[in-house]
Amino acid sequence: DQQVKQNSPSLSVQEGRISILNCDYTNSMFDYFLWYKKYPAEGPTFLISISSIKDKNEDGRFTVFLNKSAKHLSLHIVPSQPGDSAVYFCAAHNQAGTALIFGKGTTLSVSS
Amino acid sequence: GAGVSQSPSNKVTEKGKDVELRCDPISGHTALYWYRQSLGQGLEFLIYFQGNSAPDKSGLPSDRFSAERTGGSVSTLTIQRTQQEDSAVYLCASSLGSGTGLSGNTIYFGEGSWLTVV
Repeated sequence: DQQVKQNSPSLSVQEGRISILNCDYTNSMFDYFLWYKKYPAEGPTFLISISSIKDKNEDGRFTVFLNKSAKHLSLHIVPSQPGDSAVYFCAAHNQAGTALIFGKGTTLSVSS
Repeated sequence: GAGVSQSPSNKVTEKGKDVELRCDPISGHTALYWYRQSLGQGLEFLIYFQGNSAPDKSGLPSDRFSAERTGGSVSTLTIQRTQQEDSAVYLCASSLGSGTGLSGNTIYFGEGSWLTVV
């Protein structure tokens, strides 16, 4: 059973617009949530994270929102740029100390 | 090295053969992880080493898979009697702490070892 779910396999947006990537989780023991970005033939790279005690974390064009009651988080990219085109993985850290659990990823395509 | 290094970058093997995949983590990182990504799938956790603690092997899909970490540094993932469903990118990662992503506590991934079983 998937503990971290990314229900949209792909998303297409125009340059300059907002990209919103969504993620749902089931385990209330998760204490940190992270977003990773992956280009083809490269390993994933860390993008941004949020503690479960927060509801928002912002870093430049990237903002992550956490709704604990809904067990939902989202990554907002504003404004979107063609270089943002990649696969975005949502991940969760379990306070029990096990390894990160990843979703299946969402492929973002930003057209100019 | 500056990053997580994996070898080989590509491996084609015949069904039934054994393969070994190597990972050199970032120097000083106590935690080491193996994940795999099959075509169209997400990152599947395989095994996690943290310092001198017993590894978390809960993600290994079968007893054909094993991994070791020698001297708290280099790790080898071994797949015995490979099957076609083992074809995937095997990703190694390391972190200084538990990888929460805050205060520099980040998991860094290598570029992966692409395994094709024919």
